[in-house]
Amino acid sequence: EVQLVESGGGLVQPGGSLRLSCEVSGFSFSSYWMTWVRQAPGKGLEWVANIKQDGSEVSYVDSVRGRFTVSRDNAKNSLYLQMNGLGAEDTAVYYCARTQNDFWSGQSSDYWGQGTLVTVSS
Amino acid sequence: DIQITQSPSPLSASVGDRVTITCRASQSIINFLNWYQQKPGTAPKLLISAASNLQSGVPSRFSGSGSGTDFTLAINSLQPEDFATYYCQQTYNTPHTFGQGTKLE
Repeated sequence: EVQLVESGGGLVQPGGSLRLSCEVSGFSFSSYWMTWVRQAPGKGLEWVANIKQDGSEVSYVDSVRGRFTVSRDNAKNSLYLQMNGLGAEDTAVYYCARTQNDFWSGQSSDYWGQGTLVTVSS
Repeated sequence: DIQITQSPSPLSASVGDRVTITCRASQSIINFLNWYQQKPGTAPKLLISAASNLQSGVPSRFSGSGSGTDFTLAINSLQPEDFATYYCQQTYNTPHTFGQGTKLE
């Protein structure tokens, strides 16, 4: 059974840092792209970042570039999101997702974790 | 960045209805378009990839079509469990932007 479990969310003050983790099981982690998506309370989905199987390619949405870093440890079947310089606008549920990649039709995220809530507030 | 305009929202319908949701991209994305369903308090679920590829286990009343800039998700014979929020997503270029969502109520 494919499982993705996020952790590391919580309450953090503006300007603070947080590191999210996503531990996976049930599939060959090193064979898949992975993606972080967030959802602010009552709002829609926002794609945050993705990372290639070996970590050699990463991409970010402009609003987090330079503040967030996505990484992975294939030996530990784990995906990470280091978040620095947090602001109220980063308050959201953060999801990790396994992502299929096809040259002819792009990417699609077929398995998702349950999400972890990050609240940025003083 | 590629902008995705999704409509309508909200969408009012009844059990048994056929409904359509559209997404328009700000430039051609060929068929690099996914559809997700999300119910309150849960993670999104992938319904359709590559504009029209129905995922395993997704009922056949769901279908996707379109290419270039205009895409449609159709749901035939709405069931009670279909009332949820639907999102499209382009993956032609990063950032892989989502539409604003359509709440089916």
